[in-house]
Amino acid sequence: QKEVEQNSGPLSVPEGAIASLNCTYSDRVSQSFFWYRQYSGKSPELIMSIYSNGDKEDGRFTAQLNKASQYVSLLIRDSQPSDSATYLCAVNISPDYKLSFGAGTTVTVRA
Amino acid sequence: EAQVTQNPRYLITVTGKKLTVTCSQNMNHEYMSWYRQDPGLGLRQIYYSMNVEVTDKGDVPEGYKVSRKEKRNFPLILESPSPNQTSLYFCASSATLAKNIQYFGAGTRLSVL
Repeated sequence: QKEVEQNSGPLSVPEGAIASLNCTYSDRVSQSFFWYRQYSGKSPELIMSIYSNGDKEDGRFTAQLNKASQYVSLLIRDSQPSDSATYLCAVNISPDYKLSFGAGTTVTVRA
Repeated sequence: EAQVTQNPRYLITVTGKKLTVTCSQNMNHEYMSWYRQDPGLGLRQIYYSMNVEVTDKGDVPEGYKVSRKEKRNFPLILESPSPNQTSLYFCASSATLAKNIQYFGAGTRLSVL
């Protein structure tokens, strides 16, 4: 079983819609969770971090964490063409020094 | 400007010819890491370092070496590159271990013929 799994893409959404990305992880003691955005040919950039159960909102992005279900998600509201990218879920796998990434979900926002 | 700098950005080499990819950060970060990214496999950690002279293997360390003689530098060494090491490589650094928010370099695209 992979340590971090993301829903397979690609995901295509119309402009203005909500894009929903899901991620599950295998390590029960993981404490830190991240979403990175990666444009084609570029390096990953952090867009959200979440450490406790519940929702965390930042602009059009909302991260949701459920540690009991070992599940973290990212919602992109009012999707824009500039949101077209690959989104990587990353989980801090114990011990603290390892960050494990999912394979990524590619999102395309149709104008 | 806070940044992680990798060099070179692009490299084409031949099997067996030793090479080094340099990584430098100007944020005084303790933690540095190397990843490779391959289609469908995401980012996989090669090696990481928690501080000067402290390094350890990640998920895919075979065929790679690293050193951390100074806090700011963390070079990746391929002693005898092989075609299966053709990949996109990223160096990353972070200030703390607990939160582990990592900042990535621009990447090095390596082709081994």
